[in-house]
Amino acid sequence: DTGVSQDPRHKITKRGQNVTFRCDPISEHNRLYWYRQTLGQGPEFLTYFQNEAQLEKSRLLSDRFSAERPKGSFSTLEIQRTEQGDSAMYLCASSRGTGSNQPQHFGDGTRLSIL
Amino acid sequence: GENVEQHPSTLSVQEGDSAVIKCTYSDSASNYFPWYKQELGKRPQLIIDIRSNVGEKKDQRIAVTLNKTAKHFSLHITETQPEDSAVYFCAASMHNNNDMRFGAGTRLTVKP
Repeated sequence: DTGVSQDPRHKITKRGQNVTFRCDPISEHNRLYWYRQTLGQGPEFLTYFQNEAQLEKSRLLSDRFSAERPKGSFSTLEIQRTEQGDSAMYLCASSRGTGSNQPQHFGDGTRLSIL
Repeated sequence: GENVEQHPSTLSVQEGDSAVIKCTYSDSASNYFPWYKQELGKRPQLIIDIRSNVGEKKDQRIAVTLNKTAKHFSLHITETQPEDSAVYFCAASMHNNNDMRFGAGTRLTVKP
């Protein structure tokens, strides 16, 4: 399967802990996006990369959230000092090209549960 | 920024009937409108998309229409089947913008 893969699928952690999620995009896709999805809502954009450059991060939910894509391939999303409100599905998507008007292909997501 | 509204939030149809889901957007510069299907516990899957240079696109039982003047677009599913049951999301984006804005979703139930 050459689709977008995310790891782990599920993460359960105690409030205050740090968590890191990984996303491997489709290999020829140079754009990578992170979204958050809560129950009953559509995906909410967080940040994106064009190759290794993070071109938008103002929509990250707080300074506890950070993302990296060091070599322009896989990406990680880190949440520090997790809070109850961080419980959600975190989705990664990738696309070709240099614009946002290209089809985005999603991974299965990481479901985060904060105890 | 762009705001996408989607209606209805839930839709129940009998197998074989048609289903229509509507979305409106606020930014006239938006030029790309995809539709995603998300089954419970699974990833959103792109089912069809349309760009602003066309008014309609069809793929077998699925079609999307776009009215740029009114800033709304719709998903049409004909001859619905139980496996069409899922949550459907519309979205809008533009080339020079950074993100894609999604609607809140429509839960479609197709009753056999």
